[in-house]
Amino acid sequence: SQTIHQWPATLVQPVGSPLSLECTVEGTSNPNLYWYRQAAGRGLQLLFYSIGIDQISSEVPQNLSASRPQDRQFILSSKKLLLSDSGFYLCAWIRQGHTDTQYFGPGTRLTVL
Amino acid sequence: GENVEQHPSTLSVQEGDSAVIKCTYSDSASNYFPWYKQELGKRPQLIIDIRSNVGEKKDQRIAVTLNKTAKHFSLHITETQPEDSAVYFCAASISGGGNKLTFGTGTQLKVEL
Repeated sequence: SQTIHQWPATLVQPVGSPLSLECTVEGTSNPNLYWYRQAAGRGLQLLFYSIGIDQISSEVPQNLSASRPQDRQFILSSKKLLLSDSGFYLCAWIRQGHTDTQYFGPGTRLTVL
Repeated sequence: GENVEQHPSTLSVQEGDSAVIKCTYSDSASNYFPWYKQELGKRPQLIIDIRSNVGEKKDQRIAVTLNKTAKHFSLHITETQPEDSAVYFCAASISGGGNKLTFGTGTQLKVEL
């Protein structure tokens, strides 16, 4: 079956520390993958998307970066976290057989102190 | 780029009444319009979607209408129930390429007993 995982579920980090969030999918190959951020009580902001390995597009300039080391793995990173990086980070994908529909992973709740 | 506006930001209805949420989009090339429901602390869940070659789509108590000329689409929930209480997001995208979704700002729906 096709599933999506995110790790960790929650994270508390100090300002200036590095970040690595992981998203993995199962049961499909070469999926479109997306990273969104949702600030508290706000909408969803697209950060990065990838239509394949070595094909990553950034939507919003900031201190975050994304990588896709494997076909089914999407990583969101930062070298130095800011207070404004706090939020709910959601990975999404388009399942095989679904042309446009994005499905979200369970998310990572990040608090930067 | 695409811009999606969503109204109202909050909506309170009595159980059994209907609820309507409206969205407008700016890019006439957009051709895919999903709606997501997000309960507190959880991931957004797709509830219904519509493509530009269809004017209306219905799934039990939920329906979506699309007016391509006016560039607006609406979510209709009939016979509302307390479990319909959540934040609802509309979105728009162009099929193909990155399938990037642009989200509205969300509507907090509260169904009161």
